[in-house]
Amino acid sequence: QSVLTQPPSASGTPGQRVTISCSGSSSTIATNLVNWYQQLPGTAPKLLIYSDTHRPSGVPDRFSASKSGTSASLAISGLRSEDEAEYYCAVWDDRLNVDVIFGGGTKLTVL
Amino acid sequence: QVQLQESGPGLVTPSQTLSLTCTVSGDSITSGTYYWSWVRQPAGKGLEWIGRVHSSWATNYNASLRGRVTISLDTSGNQFSLKLSSVTAADTAVYYCARGVEMGTIYFDHWGQGTQVTVSS
Repeated sequence: QSVLTQPPSASGTPGQRVTISCSGSSSTIATNLVNWYQQLPGTAPKLLIYSDTHRPSGVPDRFSASKSGTSASLAISGLRSEDEAEYYCAVWDDRLNVDVIFGGGTKLTVL
Repeated sequence: QVQLQESGPGLVTPSQTLSLTCTVSGDSITSGTYYWSWVRQPAGKGLEWIGRVHSSWATNYNASLRGRVTISLDTSGNQFSLKLSSVTAADTAVYYCARGVEMGTIYFDHWGQGTQVTVSS
């Protein structure tokens, strides 16, 4: 059970906009930058969003993220079949018992 | 183009030590401000950060594994390694190495493809 809580599943149809939440606390999300990773089936995780809202080069602008208080969210607009994957939020804080905490992950299904 | 590649035994006997190496190409493990890290993922489960070694050789580990884990740099081969002692079946997982970038946070911008390690007699 991670201290970052994500819904285990989410779904949407092609073209739709979906959001995935990541709920934390005053010692995790509220005081640290949030990163998001996408893990396609059978592959290594890939950085999707860093420092709350920044997209690495090559990540489509269909992917965006935001944060408010102790929660963060990832939004995917214009949903595509290739977006079907597991999505993880993560924070870093070396004051914690672990440097990096990952959320439990959300399995996104494109219907 | 930075690339990371894990290598090591895919089968480890219980109570023995798991040893993995991550070979880095396209970058020097002693340059920059990077956190060379290990992350694992049991089958069907989420990601768990194991630990990291900074390019300055400083290390930090997941408290739940501290005492069993050692991560170190091997500058001669531009590699870093993971050693996890006294393994049990609970340590069976896909092990990933990753490069951590510090920018107000640490995010992993490059990952290895992962290597399956099974703990079994």
